[in-house]
Amino acid sequence: IVLTQSPATVSLSPGERATLSCRASQSLSSYLAWYQQKPGQAPRLLIYDASNRATGIPARFSGSGSGTDFTLTISSLEPEDFAVYYCQQRTNWLTFGGGTKVQIK
Amino acid sequence: QITLTESGPTVVKPTQTLTLTCTFSGFSLSTSGLGVGWIRQSPGKALEWLAIIYWDGDKRYSPSLTSRLTLTTDSSKNQVVLTMTSMDPVDTATYYCAHTYYSYAAVWGQGTLVTVSS
Repeated sequence: IVLTQSPATVSLSPGERATLSCRASQSLSSYLAWYQQKPGQAPRLLIYDASNRATGIPARFSGSGSGTDFTLTISSLEPEDFAVYYCQQRTNWLTFGGGTKVQIK
Repeated sequence: QITLTESGPTVVKPTQTLTLTCTFSGFSLSTSGLGVGWIRQSPGKALEWLAIIYWDGDKRYSPSLTSRLTLTTDSSKNQVVLTMTSMDPVDTATYYCAHTYYSYAAVWGQGTLVTVSS
């Protein structure tokens, strides 16, 4: 299963809303996760099963979607949210998308 | 508190076999739904799942690398060992182990950079 993330890069200002997309080449039901990775750090799980926040993840992060189209929304960007975001599926083996970089405008 | 630590060589030569050890604490690998996985990331590139072992002992490998990968466990030491044969410079990457919850990487180790070079 191929996961295509868009856009590859988005430039936003703190306080703005970020909407990241992940599209799958076949249906995933709701078996999709989102991760955040900052430079020099390991990724961190944000969302699992499309819409469930992982432990300790702030409420400004939300996930939605099912089937082949999924969205990660950050309602109001904080300075620490500028990072690369990856989606991951677990329906057919385990694969990640290519990532979306959220950078400061 | 769940922690994982990767250990192994930082440099291997082409054609050699890489052996990485993941030592974990704070959970039992026999708990339903849990597992330990290995993921790598080439410099500046995206993430790639390599292998995962589940609570019931089931082991799965990346279809593109299955012939080169082997997972073993030492439950007495809370360790999961990944072996990758026939290393090539394209295998240069940071290798992570992770505590998995239903195949999602819930807690990650800090990663270890492995360079393949003669």
